[in-house]
This record gives sequence, structure tokens and C-alpha cells, in this order.
Amino acid sequence: GAVVSQHPSWVICKSGTSVKIECRSLDFQATTMFWYRQFPKQSLMLMATSNEGSKATYEQGVEKDKFLINHASLTLSTLTVTSAHPEDSSFYICSARLPEGTYEQYFGPGTRLTVT
Amino acid sequence: GQNIDQPTEMTATEGAIVQINCTYQTSGFNGLFWYQQHAGEAPTFLSYNVLDGLEEKGRFSSFLSRSKGYSYLLLKELQMKDSASYLCAGMDSNYQLIWGAGTKLIIKP
Repeated sequence: GAVVSQHPSWVICKSGTSVKIECRSLDFQATTMFWYRQFPKQSLMLMATSNEGSKATYEQGVEKDKFLINHASLTLSTLTVTSAHPEDSSFYICSARLPEGTYEQYFGPGTRLTVT
Repeated sequence: GQNIDQPTEMTATEGAIVQINCTYQTSGFNGLFWYQQHAGEAPTFLSYNVLDGLEEKGRFSSFLSRSKGYSYLLLKELQMKDSASYLCAGMDSNYQLIWGAGTKLIIKP
């Protein structure tokens, strides 16, 4: 149980275009999902916390107008990188938190974004 | 402030035992997590400790001392597939995970 999927697994786009990444909890309902980015050989950096039915909470330094997050249902959150630039190239990972218990997070497989 | 410290890199031999240490400072405390991350992949959950003591799960064990702000992950009978980064994360009073930078474990034959 506790499987999280992420789509696409990798994407290449041109500068100035927008890219949408989907995160789904497949066998549980996730009221809270998280979006991270990770640069090579660095740890996870939390970008935002996504709560179903409400606005996402962004971490300091993360532009909410550039990284649009929508958590429209208990099993789906989306991250849209708008007007992408090469510096946005990174590994984006979502996680979903179990609604009760230990609050552990289960991670999707990640999306590798390359902006040319 | 909140902070998680763990060694950057460790090397061990196949079949041996290795202990990865982690010290933490969080605003409030709701538990300590260990995750494994292979290169190019997302992290996978290994363990969760919220009470003092040792939790054993097969070849992997995790220890917590809340009074010392300290945890370790113990890996026994090391296998080549254990080569990965191991991430320590503390959960604060808001149930937010504070991540360490990860310890890259290199296993040699």
C-alpha cells in the first residue's frame, strides 16, 4: 500500500513554455501532499505544501506565480512550472502524507525536467 | 533554528556493519525518519522513531535518543545494493519534515 505515482517521469521543454507535473496517491487519500526539488548531489528542498481544497503554502524564496500548485482532489496534486527557464531544470519529487498515524511521507518516483 | 546534521559520505565493506549518525534540532519534535535514496530515484521510507530506543527491521535498525537529539541508522550484512544516500529527517511541531543533506554510503566488495 501507500503508492504514489508521478507523471511524466521526465520532460524536456523549451524556455518560456509551461510544464505540468501530476502527483497521484493510488491507494490512499492524501489530504496533504508536498512538492520538492532536488539538484544533483544535494538534499531535498521543500517547495510547497499542498492541502486539498485550499491554497498551497509556499516556502520562503519559492515564487508562487511561477510554480502553480493545485490540489483539486484527495488523490491528485499538480505542479505547473510556468515560463520555464534553464535554471528550473531539476528533479521534482512529490510526496503524499498518510492522513493519520505516523505522518510518514511516501514519495512519487520523481520528474526530471530539462529546460533548453 | 532547525537543523539536521549527518556525515556527507561513508564507506563500508560488503558483509560488514555500518552506523550512520544524525543529530537534530527542531522546533518541537514529532519523530525522526530515515529514508533511502538511490541515485536518480525518489526516497523510500525506511524507519520512524518517536520514542527512545532501538527499532529493528530486518537488516536495518534505527535508534533514537530524544534527550541527546541523536539518532542512528544501523545497517547489517551490507550488500552492494545498499549503496545509496541515506536521509535523516526530523518532524517538527507542525508535522513538517526537516531534512538533512543525506549521507552517501559507498559499499566496496
